[in-house]
Amino acid sequence: AQSVTQPDIHITVSEGASLELRCNYSYGATPYLFWYVQSPGQGLQLLLKYFSGDTLVQGIKGFEAEFKRSQSSFNLRKPSVHWSDAAEYFCAVGRTPRSRDSGYALNFGKGTSLLVTP
Amino acid sequence: DVKVTQSSRYLVKRTGEKVFLECVQDMDHENMFWYRQDPGLGLRLIYFSYDVKMKEKGDIPEGYSVSREKKERFSLILESASTNQTSMYLCASSPGRGQYFGPGTRLTVT
Repeated sequence: AQSVTQPDIHITVSEGASLELRCNYSYGATPYLFWYVQSPGQGLQLLLKYFSGDTLVQGIKGFEAEFKRSQSSFNLRKPSVHWSDAAEYFCAVGRTPRSRDSGYALNFGKGTSLLVTP
Repeated sequence: DVKVTQSSRYLVKRTGEKVFLECVQDMDHENMFWYRQDPGLGLRLIYFSYDVKMKEKGDIPEGYSVSREKKERFSLILESASTNQTSMYLCASSPGRGQYFGPGTRLTVT
């Protein structure tokens, strides 16, 4: 079954520093991959997604992610972090539909909590 | 703009009560989903629906049921609420791949 692992539960970064959040997936074929962000008390917002094609994906809020098949990874990056980026980040992989009509549910990682210091 | 709304942000119910959580989307999406989110466990899929009156069990359907009578509305039902169902409940909708989430309902069962 498709799954994702986020190895880091918490990450602390200084404002203005670069950021990389790790995500490893488990799936034999080309996966559908997503990054979401959740601010405290809020729902999840889609940052970016990868289905096929160019392995470097640009998202909202200055984020990007790179799909690396050889490493089974889809790491999220940002060159300069802002204090407003403090939030929880979730990586997700699309499940194989059970039937032709069935939609794509997602399997989520357990999340990485980002703290930004002054 | 994509909009998914959930009927309540906060809800407090007693053990044994029947609880309804409502979710509405205005994007004419075929697929709708219910997750629960717990600290350290991430998001876990409870149920989803890929068409009106069609549903599939997710990973943790026990103690829950769902209803989708209209395309825009997907309801999660706790038949007899228990304290271990205290959680954040998130609804999502999707046109196919990629999901759009509502703000969540924080349910406390006492």
